[in-house]
Amino acid sequence: GQQVMQIPQYQHVQEGEDFTTYCNSSTTLSNIQWYKQRPGGHPVFLIQLVKSGEVKKQKRLTFQFGEAKKNSSLHITATQTTDVGTYFCAGQNTGNQFYFGTGTSLTVIP
Amino acid sequence: NAGVTQTPKFQVLKTGQSMTLQCAQDMNHEYMSWYRQDPGMGLRLIHYSVGAGITDQGEVPNGYNVSRSTTEDFPLRLLSAAPSQTSVYFCASSSSGDTQYFGPGTRLTVL
Repeated sequence: GQQVMQIPQYQHVQEGEDFTTYCNSSTTLSNIQWYKQRPGGHPVFLIQLVKSGEVKKQKRLTFQFGEAKKNSSLHITATQTTDVGTYFCAGQNTGNQFYFGTGTSLTVIP
Repeated sequence: NAGVTQTPKFQVLKTGQSMTLQCAQDMNHEYMSWYRQDPGMGLRLIHYSVGAGITDQGEVPNGYNVSRSTTEDFPLRLLSAAPSQTSVYFCASSSSGDTQYFGPGTRLTVL
């Protein structure tokens, strides 16, 4: 069945260091979404990638969708304490279902 | 706009009890879904609906029922609660697979 793997599960960084989380799907995706969840909160949509090889930026965040549309990454440049939370990818196949990765929990040490 | 609302925020049940988790959205979204979130497992889709009168199963549907009689509401029913259903439940809505807006969640404990 559909699987979306995400690594690493946890990441501790010093404030100012960069951070990357990776998402891999066992099947080709029609699109991929990224979400951020603060501790005790609910997932909040960050971005959607649709095209093969697509790269999108939001300030210090860079999102990539692989050429084969089976993998994606989120890179944060110069982390800040406000970046703390768990980042999830969610891949959608040709149906209506989204398959979430297991998430990467980011801790930023001031 | 209230967005996506869920009630209750917290619930404790005994094994075998039944209950309904409520979810409502005021954005006229066709697509609604229920997820459960367990430590280390991300969010797993329970059931979803692409419009009023239409529902379908997700990854982990066993033990849960849903119905969609209106566009706004998508309740999740636990017919006979089990300890394995202890989890945080999120409802989400979107406009045909676009941005998903999540509710604040229901923390359910089954003893």
